[in-house]
Amino acid sequence: GEDVEQSLFLSVREGDSSVINCTYTDSSSTYLYWYKQEPGAGLQLLTYIFSNMDMKQDQRLTVLLNKKDKHLSLRIADTQTGDSAIYFCAESRNARGYQKVTFGIGTKLQVIP
Amino acid sequence: DTEVTQTPKHLVMGMTNKKSLKCEQHMGHRAMYWYKQKAKKPPELMFVYSYEKLSINESVPSRFSPECPNSSLLNLHLHALQPEDSALYLCASSQDSSEQFFGPGTRLTVL
Repeated sequence: GEDVEQSLFLSVREGDSSVINCTYTDSSSTYLYWYKQEPGAGLQLLTYIFSNMDMKQDQRLTVLLNKKDKHLSLRIADTQTGDSAIYFCAESRNARGYQKVTFGIGTKLQVIP
Repeated sequence: DTEVTQTPKHLVMGMTNKKSLKCEQHMGHRAMYWYKQKAKKPPELMFVYSYEKLSINESVPSRFSPECPNSSLLNLHLHALQPEDSALYLCASSQDSSEQFFGPGTRLTVL
């Protein structure tokens, strides 16, 4: 079955770069996602990458995908205190008219001022 | 409009109550989802509707009853819940096989 793994916790200083890593097992994944969840809030889609891409950059965010190793990473440049949240890695595969999404356990990012 | 809205934001109910959670999107998405999220855990899929038909029921107890009145609305009817059902209930939508957008969730407490 599908499995997504990520580390539980990351602490960085404000202004440094953060790198959150994730591994997945499903070779038929179509999308790989990064969602951000602040305390008490829903999930915010931060960015995503198609499984046939290897990199995507969006302002301070860089997503790298190594499809051979099934490894996904999210780099946040110039990390700010507002970036403190839980970051969920997720992979999806197409089903009949919908997406089947599998989430990792979430990495809690703590930004130290 | 890239928004999924959910009401109410918070809900407290007793074990004998009947209540409903509502979800709405106006992005023209034809797939809508209910997830349950417990504290410090990832979301768990409960139900998927595709083109207003129930496609997936992840062995959810019958005290949770989903309904999709039209392509923009998704309801979750609650009856005779247990305290362990207290959680954040998240709705999401996607256009077929595109990315999923999540609503802010309803924080449910069952007393």
